[in-house]
Amino acid sequence: DGGITQSPKYLFRKEGQNVTLSCEQNLNHDAMYWYRQDPGQGLRLIYYSQIVNDFQKGDIAEGYSVSREKKESFPLTVTSAQKNPTAFYLCASTDTRAYGYTFGSGTRLTVV
Amino acid sequence: GEDVEQSLFLSVREGDSSVINCTYTDSSSTYLYWYKQEPGAGLQLLTYIFSNMDMKQDQRLTVLLNKKDKHLSLRIADTQTGDSAIYFCAETPSSGGYNKLIFGAGTRLAVHP
Repeated sequence: DGGITQSPKYLFRKEGQNVTLSCEQNLNHDAMYWYRQDPGQGLRLIYYSQIVNDFQKGDIAEGYSVSREKKESFPLTVTSAQKNPTAFYLCASTDTRAYGYTFGSGTRLTVV
Repeated sequence: GEDVEQSLFLSVREGDSSVINCTYTDSSSTYLYWYKQEPGAGLQLLTYIFSNMDMKQDQRLTVLLNKKDKHLSLRIADTQTGDSAIYFCAETPSSGGYNKLIFGAGTRLAVHP
Protein backbone atom coordinates (compact mmCIF):
# COMPACT_ATOMS: atom_id res chain seq x y z
CA ASP A 1 0.00 0.00 0.00
CA GLY A 2 1.14 3.52 -0.72
CA GLY A 3 1.76 5.96 2.04
CA ILE A 4 4.12 8.26 3.86
CA THR A 5 6.74 6.99 6.28
CA GLN A 6 8.24 9.24 8.91
CA SER A 7 11.18 8.18 11.01
CA PRO A 8 12.09 8.02 13.75
CA LYS A 9 8.86 8.06 15.75
CA TYR A 10 10.66 9.57 18.78
CA LEU A 11 13.80 11.67 18.66
CA PHE A 12 15.82 13.29 21.41
CA ARG A 13 18.14 16.19 20.78
CA LYS A 14 20.76 17.75 22.97
CA GLU A 15 21.16 21.48 23.13
CA GLY A 16 23.20 22.78 20.18
CA GLN A 17 22.72 19.71 18.00
CA ASN A 18 21.25 19.50 14.55
CA VAL A 19 18.87 16.62 13.91
CA THR A 20 17.25 15.38 10.71
CA LEU A 21 13.75 13.98 10.45
CA SER A 22 13.03 11.63 7.57
CA CYS A 23 9.94 11.67 5.34
CA GLU A 24 9.51 9.24 2.45
CA GLN A 25 6.44 8.72 0.26
CA ASN A 26 5.62 6.14 -2.40
CA LEU A 27 2.44 7.81 -3.62
CA ASN A 28 4.16 9.51 -6.54
CA HIS A 29 2.95 12.86 -5.19
CA ASP A 30 4.62 16.01 -6.44
CA ALA A 31 4.07 18.23 -3.40
CA MET A 32 5.35 17.60 0.11
CA TYR A 33 4.93 19.58 3.33
CA TRP A 34 6.34 19.81 6.83
CA TYR A 35 4.15 20.95 9.73
CA ARG A 36 4.87 21.53 13.35
CA GLN A 37 2.19 20.80 15.94
CA ASP A 38 2.20 22.21 19.45
CA PRO A 39 -0.56 21.50 21.99
CA GLY A 40 -3.60 23.68 21.40
CA GLN A 41 -2.03 25.47 18.44
CA GLY A 42 -3.00 23.29 15.52
CA LEU A 43 -0.64 22.89 12.58
CA ARG A 44 1.92 25.44 11.47
CA LEU A 45 3.60 25.16 8.08
CA ILE A 46 7.40 25.02 8.14
CA TYR A 47 8.41 24.31 4.53
CA TYR A 48 6.83 22.91 1.41
CA SER A 49 8.02 21.67 -1.95
CA GLN A 50 6.03 21.38 -5.14
CA ILE A 51 8.74 19.90 -7.31
CA VAL A 52 12.14 18.27 -7.01
CA ASN A 53 15.01 20.68 -6.24
CA ASP A 54 12.63 23.47 -5.25
CA PHE A 55 11.07 24.37 -1.91
CA GLN A 56 9.42 27.35 -0.23
CA LYS A 57 9.38 28.71 3.30
CA GLY A 58 6.20 28.39 5.26
CA ASP A 59 5.06 30.46 8.21
CA ILE A 60 7.72 29.32 10.71
CA ALA A 61 10.83 28.38 8.66
CA GLU A 62 13.43 30.00 10.93
CA GLY A 63 15.74 27.42 12.48
CA TYR A 64 14.77 24.70 9.99
CA SER A 65 16.15 23.56 6.64
CA VAL A 66 14.97 21.09 4.00
CA SER A 67 16.09 19.47 0.77
CA ARG A 68 14.20 17.83 -2.09
CA GLU A 69 16.72 15.89 -4.14
CA LYS A 70 14.29 13.07 -4.93
CA LYS A 71 10.55 13.12 -5.52
CA GLU A 72 10.01 10.53 -2.80
CA SER A 73 12.00 12.20 -0.04
CA PHE A 74 11.71 15.48 1.85
CA PRO A 75 13.93 15.46 4.97
CA LEU A 76 13.69 18.22 7.58
CA THR A 77 16.71 19.37 9.58
CA VAL A 78 16.09 21.08 12.89
CA THR A 79 19.13 23.24 13.47
CA SER A 80 20.61 24.58 16.68
CA ALA A 81 19.17 27.96 15.68
CA GLN A 82 15.67 26.67 16.47
CA LYS A 83 15.33 27.72 20.10
CA ASN A 84 12.23 25.75 21.00
CA PRO A 85 12.24 22.60 18.88
CA THR A 86 10.27 20.33 21.19
CA ALA A 87 7.12 19.51 19.21
CA PHE A 88 5.34 16.94 17.08
CA TYR A 89 6.39 17.12 13.43
CA LEU A 90 4.13 15.98 10.61
CA CYS A 91 4.99 15.39 6.97
CA ALA A 92 2.32 15.38 4.27
CA SER A 93 2.04 15.04 0.51
CA THR A 94 -0.45 15.68 -2.26
CA ASP A 95 -0.82 16.24 -5.96
CA THR A 96 -3.39 17.67 -8.34
CA ARG A 97 -5.31 14.38 -8.53
CA ALA A 98 -5.63 13.97 -4.77
CA TYR A 99 -8.18 15.37 -2.36
CA GLY A 100 -6.45 16.97 0.59
CA TYR A 101 -3.18 15.73 2.03
CA THR A 102 -1.91 12.32 3.04
CA PHE A 103 -0.08 12.54 6.35
CA GLY A 104 2.67 10.51 7.90
CA SER A 105 2.42 9.24 11.47
CA GLY A 106 4.66 11.98 12.85
CA THR A 107 7.93 12.36 14.75
CA ARG A 108 7.98 13.60 18.32
CA LEU A 109 11.13 15.61 18.95
CA THR A 110 12.23 16.36 22.50
CA VAL A 111 15.16 18.50 23.60
CA VAL A 112 17.03 17.00 26.55
CA GLY B 1 -5.74 36.82 5.30
CA GLU B 2 -7.09 33.32 5.32
CA ASP B 3 -8.21 31.99 8.67
CA VAL B 4 -10.05 28.95 9.98
CA GLU B 5 -11.56 28.91 13.46
CA GLN B 6 -12.87 26.09 15.59
CA SER B 7 -13.92 25.70 19.18
CA LEU B 8 -11.22 23.84 21.09
CA PHE B 9 -13.19 21.30 23.08
CA LEU B 10 -16.40 19.26 22.91
CA SER B 11 -17.65 16.65 25.36
CA VAL B 12 -20.50 14.27 24.50
CA ARG B 13 -22.10 11.18 25.94
CA GLU B 14 -21.62 7.89 24.15
CA GLY B 15 -24.52 7.27 21.75
CA ASP B 16 -25.36 10.97 21.34
CA SER B 17 -24.63 13.01 18.24
CA SER B 18 -21.60 15.28 18.12
CA VAL B 19 -21.51 18.48 16.13
CA ILE B 20 -18.16 20.15 15.49
CA ASN B 21 -18.25 23.61 13.99
CA CYS B 22 -15.81 25.57 11.88
CA THR B 23 -15.80 29.03 10.31
CA TYR B 24 -13.51 30.20 7.54
CA THR B 25 -12.80 33.53 5.92
CA ASP B 26 -11.96 32.80 2.29
CA SER B 27 -15.20 32.92 0.31
CA SER B 28 -13.41 31.47 -2.72
CA SER B 29 -12.50 28.21 -1.04
CA THR B 30 -12.97 25.29 -3.38
CA TYR B 31 -12.71 22.28 -1.08
CA LEU B 32 -13.22 22.02 2.67
CA TYR B 33 -11.96 19.07 4.64
CA TRP B 34 -12.36 17.31 7.95
CA TYR B 35 -9.40 15.41 9.39
CA LYS B 36 -9.21 13.21 12.49
CA GLN B 37 -6.11 12.86 14.68
CA GLU B 38 -5.87 10.16 17.30
CA PRO B 39 -3.29 10.52 20.12
CA GLY B 40 0.30 10.35 18.90
CA ALA B 41 -0.72 9.78 15.29
CA GLY B 42 -0.88 11.68 12.03
CA LEU B 43 -4.00 13.21 10.52
CA GLN B 44 -6.48 10.99 8.72
CA LEU B 45 -8.78 12.45 6.08
CA LEU B 46 -12.37 11.80 7.14
CA THR B 47 -14.34 13.55 4.45
CA TYR B 48 -14.41 16.61 2.24
CA ILE B 49 -17.01 18.75 0.56
CA PHE B 50 -16.87 20.79 -2.59
CA SER B 51 -17.92 24.41 -2.27
CA ASN B 52 -20.96 24.05 -4.55
CA MET B 53 -22.50 21.42 -2.24
CA ASP B 54 -24.62 22.05 0.85
CA MET B 55 -24.41 18.65 2.44
CA LYS B 56 -22.52 15.41 2.21
CA GLN B 57 -23.30 12.23 4.10
CA ASP B 58 -20.99 9.29 4.61
CA GLN B 59 -22.25 6.61 7.01
CA ARG B 60 -22.26 8.23 10.47
CA LEU B 61 -20.74 11.47 9.21
CA THR B 62 -22.72 14.42 7.87
CA VAL B 63 -21.03 17.56 6.62
CA LEU B 64 -23.05 20.74 6.27
CA LEU B 65 -21.76 23.79 4.42
CA ASN B 66 -23.30 27.25 4.68
CA LYS B 67 -21.34 29.21 2.11
CA LYS B 68 -23.15 32.47 2.84
CA ASP B 69 -22.05 32.39 6.49
CA LYS B 70 -18.76 30.59 5.70
CA HIS B 71 -19.68 27.93 8.22
CA LEU B 72 -18.86 24.24 8.06
CA SER B 73 -19.99 21.56 10.48
CA LEU B 74 -19.31 17.88 11.03
CA ARG B 75 -22.01 15.78 12.66
CA ILE B 76 -21.09 12.36 14.01
CA ALA B 77 -24.15 10.21 14.70
CA ASP B 78 -24.16 7.64 17.51
CA THR B 79 -20.80 8.84 18.84
CA GLN B 80 -18.57 6.06 20.16
CA THR B 81 -15.52 6.08 22.44
CA GLY B 82 -13.40 5.38 19.36
CA ASP B 83 -14.45 8.77 18.01
CA SER B 84 -12.48 10.50 20.79
CA ALA B 85 -9.81 12.46 18.92
CA ILE B 86 -8.91 15.91 17.65
CA TYR B 87 -10.85 17.01 14.58
CA PHE B 88 -9.37 19.56 12.19
CA CYS B 89 -11.23 21.64 9.66
CA ALA B 90 -9.20 22.76 6.63
CA GLU B 91 -9.79 24.76 3.48
CA THR B 92 -8.08 25.27 0.17
CA PRO B 93 -7.80 29.03 -0.19
CA SER B 94 -8.05 30.66 -3.57
CA SER B 95 -4.77 32.53 -3.15
CA GLY B 96 -2.69 29.52 -2.19
CA GLY B 97 -0.67 27.56 -4.68
CA TYR B 98 -0.90 23.89 -5.34
CA ASN B 99 -3.58 22.67 -2.95
CA LYS B 100 -2.14 24.53 0.02
CA LEU B 101 -4.40 23.83 2.98
CA ILE B 102 -5.19 26.17 5.85
CA PHE B 103 -6.00 24.30 9.07
CA GLY B 104 -7.99 25.29 12.10
CA ALA B 105 -6.55 24.73 15.59
CA GLY B 106 -8.55 21.53 16.04
CA THR B 107 -11.47 20.51 18.25
CA ARG B 108 -10.78 17.90 20.89
CA LEU B 109 -13.78 15.55 21.15
CA ALA B 110 -14.14 13.64 24.40
CA VAL B 111 -16.71 10.85 24.52
CA HIS B 112 -17.82 9.67 27.96
CA PRO B 113 -20.07 6.80 29.01
